Amino acid sequence: GESVGLHLPTLSVQEGDNSIINCAYSNSASDYFIWYKQESGKGPQFIIDIRSNMDKRQGQRVTVLLNKTVKHLSLQIAATQPGDSAVYFCAERNSGGSNYKLTFGKGTLLTVNP
Amino acid sequence: NAGVTQTPKFQVLKTGQSMTLQCAQDMNHEYMSWYRQDPGMGLRLIHYSVGAGITDQGEVPNGYNVSRSTTEDFPLRLLSAAPSQTSVYFCASSYSFNGWGNYGYTFGSGTRLTVV
Repeated sequence: GESVGLHLPTLSVQEGDNSIINCAYSNSASDYFIWYKQESGKGPQFIIDIRSNMDKRQGQRVTVLLNKTVKHLSLQIAATQPGDSAVYFCAERNSGGSNYKLTFGKGTLLTVNP
Repeated sequence: NAGVTQTPKFQVLKTGQSMTLQCAQDMNHEYMSWYRQDPGMGLRLIHYSVGAGITDQGEVPNGYNVSRSTTEDFPLRLLSAAPSQTSVYFCASSYSFNGWGNYGYTFGSGTRLTVV
């Protein structure tokens, strides 16, 4: 829980603002990407996913953008709320190797100030 | 529907002791995996299984064994605990990754292990 946030990139926003969390991935063969949210003391929770043949996908208050040219993924959270405070991870699936493994980024700690 | 259940939630071991972390899922998922999470390191894959009777090593398998005798259960065994194995361990499951769809993992709530 609380130890997960140590040494992580951090983002601090005001309640009601929009948040943008970024993730760089390294494998150009990755074909599927997922964003997870991890609250203190809990396991990661699925937020939204996107295939490599898409540039954008929207969910409820969240949008994921994929830029394959620069191998960059972002998660946008609209009207950020205190309950959004958590560590956010991106994950990529490499279609070139085993289809059963995801590689996770180190995460970003989002803090929402009331 | 309990999802992914991990036991115990907390454990303290002495160096050299062995123990088994339990993981069970009730979603009929084919794929199960174990990760460890350390500060600043993200989630690192220890072992995974694509179905009953099939297991394979992940990124950091040394010091750990797994077996998959049933679809539901995927225990992780520490053979001789070392302080370097102090970590938070997560079990995750999903449907097969072959194809498209929501293949996001369902994670358990984790086991906090301390080896002294």
